Amino acid sequence: NAGVTQTPKFQVLKTGQSMTLQCAQDMNHEYMSWYRQDPGMGLRLIHYSVGAGITDQGEVPNGYNVSRSTTEDFPLRLLSAAPSQTSVYFCASSLGTGLSYEQYFGPGTRLTVT
Amino acid sequence: EDQVTQSPEALRLQEGESSSLNCSYTVSGLRGLFWYRQDPGKGPEFLFTLYSAGEEKEKERLKATLTKKESFLHITAPKPEDSATYLCAVSIYNFNKFYFGSGTKLNVKP
Repeated sequence: NAGVTQTPKFQVLKTGQSMTLQCAQDMNHEYMSWYRQDPGMGLRLIHYSVGAGITDQGEVPNGYNVSRSTTEDFPLRLLSAAPSQTSVYFCASSLGTGLSYEQYFGPGTRLTVT
Repeated sequence: EDQVTQSPEALRLQEGESSSLNCSYTVSGLRGLFWYRQDPGKGPEFLFTLYSAGEEKEKERLKATLTKKESFLHITAPKPEDSATYLCAVSIYNFNKFYFGSGTKLNVKP
């Protein structure tokens, strides 16, 4: 099993550009989520999904869109990048049922917006 | 406002010197508290889940405990390979949303 994979590892964008961060898992997990990690602020939930076709907002959703067309994939779209979106982004997945709520994280994408 | 606070922010220990990390929370409707380990440049790695006050979990040199207002991660006789940032997270109501603390950076010197 590859676990949770994320691409790209690094990305530099100019203000106003759009892009999609890719996330995939091969563990047949229903729950998937996106976080951003900023120095001194811990991980903050952006969006999450409890299954294909079902998504909802987390703590800091503004400026980001998600969709979940398959169980395996959960892409995060930045609509118009801003310097405040410079961060490290982590995707995670979890079985999400039967007291198995621990999350498995991908390696992260380091995004810089200039 | 729901909050998760970890202390200390950073901790330096000598190899073999036991200590504890704290995670305090002010949330209502706690369903579970999670501990993760994060190495530099990597994603967090799951350690423990605690669901109710009084619960304890152990793994090698680590032991996690939970009360109604806080959790402790006890590290017994740490080794340099235990150096990492330790994160705690809480989930409230339905396990769909998770709130993380800012972490404790542990450095164990040989």
